[in-house]
Amino acid sequence: AQSVTQLGSHVSVSEGALVLLRCNYSSSVPPYLFWYVQYPNQGLQLLLKYTSAATLVKGINGFEAEFKKSETSFHLTKPSAHMSDAAEYFCAVSPLGFKTIFGAGTRLFVKA
Amino acid sequence: EAQVTQNPRYLITVTGKKLTVTCSQNMNHEYMSWYRQDPGLGLRQIYYSMNVEVTDKGDVPEGYKVSRKEKRNFPLILESPSPNQTSLYFCASGRDTLKRDSGANVLTFGAGSRLTVL
Repeated sequence: AQSVTQLGSHVSVSEGALVLLRCNYSSSVPPYLFWYVQYPNQGLQLLLKYTSAATLVKGINGFEAEFKKSETSFHLTKPSAHMSDAAEYFCAVSPLGFKTIFGAGTRLFVKA
Repeated sequence: EAQVTQNPRYLITVTGKKLTVTCSQNMNHEYMSWYRQDPGLGLRQIYYSMNVEVTDKGDVPEGYKVSRKEKRNFPLILESPSPNQTSLYFCASGRDTLKRDSGANVLTFGAGSRLTVL
């Protein structure tokens, strides 16, 4: 069965510091992998997606994620955090077909 | 503007009073789905639909019904709401494709409907 584990329900960084949000997945077939972001009082928006074209995926707002098959990981990073990055981030996996399984989410706090 | 529209955004109701949360998308997407979001649990799928008149249960379907009579609409029905259905609900839609292309499996979400059942 497919599953997604996000390590850390809350992550706090200082403005300008590296952002690292961890995601590990399990999937019996090569999956699609996604990061979605949810700002307060809004729905989820696609941040970036992996569909096997390249292992390093660049998304919006300076975020990127690297697919590591050997580690079954898809960690999200951003070199320098901005106050506007404060949000909840969801990692998701989708095997063939449309079933999408979401992680529990990681809330990112950015300190001034 | 391409979007998924949910209504109502906020609703307080009482146990047993039937309610419907509407969802409409203007992107001609085949796939539509309902999720509920609860703290610490992420998003859990309630029901989904691959096309008109085709619906199936997700992970937490108990207490909910759906219908897909038109491609653009996918209402969520709570026949007899209970307090454990107090949650934040999201509708999402996506383009059905078997190709591993740029749009594959990407979901577009509505803004959410916060439901409180007293």
